[in-house]
Amino acid sequence: DAGVIQSPRHEVTEMGQEVTLRCKPISGHNSLFWYRQTMMRGLELLIYFNNNVPIDDSGMPEDRFSAKMPNASFSTLKIQPSEPRDSAVYFCASSLTGSVSNQPQHFGDGTRLSIL
Amino acid sequence: TQLLEQSPQFLSIQEGENLTVYCNSSSVFSSLQWYRQEPGEGPVLLVTVVTGGEVKKLKRLTFQFGDARKDSSLHITAAQTGDTGLYLCAGSAAGNKLTFGGGTRVLVKP
Repeated sequence: DAGVIQSPRHEVTEMGQEVTLRCKPISGHNSLFWYRQTMMRGLELLIYFNNNVPIDDSGMPEDRFSAKMPNASFSTLKIQPSEPRDSAVYFCASSLTGSVSNQPQHFGDGTRLSIL
Repeated sequence: TQLLEQSPQFLSIQEGENLTVYCNSSSVFSSLQWYRQEPGEGPVLLVTVVTGGEVKKLKRLTFQFGDARKDSSLHITAAQTGDTGLYLCAGSAAGNKLTFGGGTRVLVKP
């Protein structure tokens, strides 16, 4: 079975450029999560969706970050303009639905983003 | 803000030895999960504990949830090189939002 698919796997760009990260959740999963992982701050939740609707975006660092989920099989995380401090590994995860007690989150392999 | 602190941050042991990783918080969690992450990959769920005092075993791994549901431990018996990785605990207070600990990097040397 296909897991969560993220693209690109690696992205290197210059500061000020727009960056778009993509995620395809596991088919049938209704919840989608975007995380950021750095050595200093660990794994942080940025935003999550239930049934394509953003539920909690309190982890989004600032207005330069935006996320969309136009349908059940696709989500994007966009950074515009990008800055060197945005360099991190960005993970997308999906779960079937409901409480984490019953439904585990399945993670993609991440996008390693480097802003020069 | 609910925080989860993991200790130690790094652990290096010889194959065959035992190890314990701790996850502590001042907050109460309705459930707690343990993940293992390998380089270049996303975290993979190992176990979920939901009841205070609960103990779960997964082969050589033993997970315990504290009675007050504020802390947890992961014990590995007779560690193998394949146990090398980053171990993350993650707590949920309500719904499906997880708070992750900082992680414990485990290196098992042959």
